[in-house]
Amino acid sequence: DVKVTQSSRYLVKRTGEKVFLECVQDMDHENMFWYRQDPGLGLRLIYFSYDVKMKEKGDIPEGYSVSREKKERFSLILESASTNQTSMYLCASSLRRGNQPQHFGDGTRLSIL
Amino acid sequence: GENVEQHPSTLSVQEGDSAVIKCTYSDSASNYFPWYKQELGKRPQLIIDIRSNVGEKKDQRIAVTLNKTAKHFSLHITETQPEDSAVYFCAASKTGNQFYFGTGTSLTVIP
Repeated sequence: DVKVTQSSRYLVKRTGEKVFLECVQDMDHENMFWYRQDPGLGLRLIYFSYDVKMKEKGDIPEGYSVSREKKERFSLILESASTNQTSMYLCASSLRRGNQPQHFGDGTRLSIL
Repeated sequence: GENVEQHPSTLSVQEGDSAVIKCTYSDSASNYFPWYKQELGKRPQLIIDIRSNVGEKKDQRIAVTLNKTAKHFSLHITETQPEDSAVYFCAASKTGNQFYFGTGTSLTVIP
């Protein structure tokens, strides 16, 4: 069974801090994704990566960056956290060949004070 | 880019009744349509998916239909049970590298 693990379930940070959200998958998936989930807005893609050191912007990349130094790990970075980044963050992974379903982590509920 | 719309946003049904959730998409090149179920406080989990070369797919009480001409697809849940209560998301993809999600339907099954 695919395991996607996010480092924290709950996180509280202050405005202006640099915040790191970590995600690890154990199924050798090429693709990894970061989403933001807000009520009434569904899942919005922040960034995705289809290979080590490769990244592509999603629909809402502003204020975020990502890092993928190893195939199994995909990090989301909030360069200078702001209150409007308070949200649920979901990581996902999938195989790259063809269209394959995504497997999600449990999410990190991030609060910026 | 792709735009996926999902309706209704909330749905209440009596236990044993059927539930239908509909999604439309804008990009005719989209060819893969997964459905996810997210229970309260848990991760979204794939419940069924369909590819554009198929018009319908069924798995026990769950079925998905796809109309490529009209660019819409629907989730059908029959004989609903309280444990079906959750938020359901549809999605569309044409490359597998980028998925576009609907805004979700909160389904409540009333015992």
